[in-house]
Amino acid sequence: GQNIDQPTEMTATEGAIVQINCTYQTSGFNGLFWYQQHAGEAPTFLSYNVLDGLEEKGRFSSFLSRSKGYSYLLLKELQMKDSASYLCAVLDSNYQLIWGAGTKLIIKP
Amino acid sequence: GAVVSQHPSWVICKSGTSVKIECRSLDFQATTMFWYRQFPKQSLMLMATSNEGSKATYEQGVEKDKFLINHASLTLSTLTVTSAHPEDSSFYICSARDRERDYYEQYFGPGTRLTVT
Repeated sequence: GQNIDQPTEMTATEGAIVQINCTYQTSGFNGLFWYQQHAGEAPTFLSYNVLDGLEEKGRFSSFLSRSKGYSYLLLKELQMKDSASYLCAVLDSNYQLIWGAGTKLIIKP
Repeated sequence: GAVVSQHPSWVICKSGTSVKIECRSLDFQATTMFWYRQFPKQSLMLMATSNEGSKATYEQGVEKDKFLINHASLTLSTLTVTSAHPEDSSFYICSARDRERDYYEQYFGPGTRLTVT
């Protein structure tokens, strides 16, 4: 079966750095997405990785290792507005998005 | 660019009635649109995939006669929840793929919160 695992909840302090991990087992791989979702709102795109390595975009970076079926989202200089759920999703061999359950990130002052 | 709208943003209806939700891509043509449902504190659950001009493909466990999907044009898809019941109360989100892009990013609408009383 297809499976994506990410921690249910994480807590971090404002101004700090946090890493959210995602491991996956899917039928085929055509890329991995990270989305941010605030409560009661739709997801917004953060990053897309299809090749191994680190993609940096401002305060957010995303890393992929295809051989390990592993990705992480790194958030630096955390702000209170970063409190949200972070969803990992993999595009499988049929170009269907397989979603993780999401990681709720709580930022404390 | 790549804006997707949904209407209505929230709706309350009585049990047994039908509700139609519209999903529009405002500044691009969407060959494929997706409908998701999300219950509180849970992740997105794909309900169906619709391609313009063809029948929608429903995920296992989703009743196609209850959740009617019409993708009549490259910019509009509709989801009709027929004979709604309280257990259908949920957050319904649509997304669309831009036919001009090639890495299959999905652009999400703002969602529709449905409450069935």
